[in-house]
Amino acid sequence: EPEVTQTPSHQVTQMGQEVILRCVPISNHLYFYWYRQILGQKVEFLVSFYNNEISEKSEIFDDQFSVERPDGSNFTLKIRSTKLEDSAMYFCASSYRGDWMNTEAFFGQGTRLTVV
Amino acid sequence: KQEVTQIPAALSVPEGENLVLNCSFTDSAIYNLQWFRQDPGKGLTSLLLIQSSQREQTSGRLNASLDKSSGRSTLYIAASQPGDSATYLCAVRGELSDTGRRALTFGSGTRLQVQP
Repeated sequence: EPEVTQTPSHQVTQMGQEVILRCVPISNHLYFYWYRQILGQKVEFLVSFYNNEISEKSEIFDDQFSVERPDGSNFTLKIRSTKLEDSAMYFCASSYRGDWMNTEAFFGQGTRLTVV
Repeated sequence: KQEVTQIPAALSVPEGENLVLNCSFTDSAIYNLQWFRQDPGKGLTSLLLIQSSQREQTSGRLNASLDKSSGRSTLYIAASQPGDSATYLCAVRGELSDTGRRALTFGSGTRLQVQP
């Protein structure tokens, strides 16, 4: 069964370093998302991406964050200068297989980012 | 701003019981509602998606209902099993905007423990 895959599963980085989280969405899905979950808190929306541009972003998604679809299959989230409070599980998701009614979101297993 | 609340926060039941998890949302202008399962330290597995025009959806032992006007959804699990132990998340998607499909807003989840 098709699935969203994320790499790495766990990343440890020093404060101030840049990190890139990678995702391969389900093929022929059109919408891509990043969410995050700080330990013990709710899953929060960061950004959605459609047709090679950001379609929506939350207030969390500031200038330190960027997204890219570099090669038609991968979808990346870059954090330019990590802070301690960026430590969280980051989830990639994809949806919308071309069926107008079908916006079911499928999530990857997540990347646990630890900033030290 | 949409707020999603789930009660109870935690639930422990003996194997074989039928149970109901509750989800409420403050803004009834939703496009759809999705129930997820999250195992500790893992990703989100989609269980059921209910469109705003639907009243319920069923998948195996799971049945989800939606009362959009009152801002409520329930997830009914029949004949619970130890393997059902996980956190169950409810998430709502707002109506379509000019920028695309709105992001999911998540509740805090109900942590379910099914005792053998």
